[in-house]
Amino acid sequence: KAGVTQTPRYLIKTRGQQVTLSCSPISGHRSVSWYQQTPGQGLQFLFEYFSETQRNKGNFPGRFSGRQFSNSRSEMNVSTLELGDSALYLCASSVIRSGRASNEQFFGPGTRLTVL
Amino acid sequence: GIQVEQSPPDLILQEGANSTLRCNFSDSVNNLQWFHQNPWGQLINLFYIPSGTKQNGRLSATTVATERYSLLYISSSQTTDSGVYFCAVPGDGNKLVFGAGTILRVKS
Repeated sequence: KAGVTQTPRYLIKTRGQQVTLSCSPISGHRSVSWYQQTPGQGLQFLFEYFSETQRNKGNFPGRFSGRQFSNSRSEMNVSTLELGDSALYLCASSVIRSGRASNEQFFGPGTRLTVL
Repeated sequence: GIQVEQSPPDLILQEGANSTLRCNFSDSVNNLQWFHQNPWGQLINLFYIPSGTKQNGRLSATTVATERYSLLYISSSQTTDSGVYFCAVPGDGNKLVFGAGTILRVKS
């Protein structure tokens, strides 16, 4: 079974631009979560999508948004990029088992975003 | 929200040595994951271990949920074990809350 895939792997943008990152979950996984990793803040949760609906959101400004498609693929978008948005963006997928609030998550290779 | 602390923050080992990494969490949890972040940034699943002990080759993990900690044991370390080790527990819903990680360097 193929793992979680993310595209692109590397991206360089300038301040003020916007960017869209893509994540394809493991086949059969319907939950996709996004995380930001920076040296200063560590790994922080951005949001989670399940069945095309955002179920949970972290403490990030509205410039960070996402969506999920009917095939469970997810995209996240960052508008009006700032230097501080330079980070590794990781997505994770999981199977949601009924009656269980949290499930084992599997991560993709990440997209490394540099904002100049 | 739940807090996760990992220790030590840094560890340098000679190849062949054993090590123990610790993860403390501030509230009861129903699962816990250990990850190894490789040099390219990908988080590799090591263990999904809500409680008890699991082993996978030279690695094993023990979670004592009632005392709110987990331990990751690495035996006979190899240079390929170098990297950052994270533990993570569930926050709200399916969100994972990560510790700051332990940076492991194994020297040949």
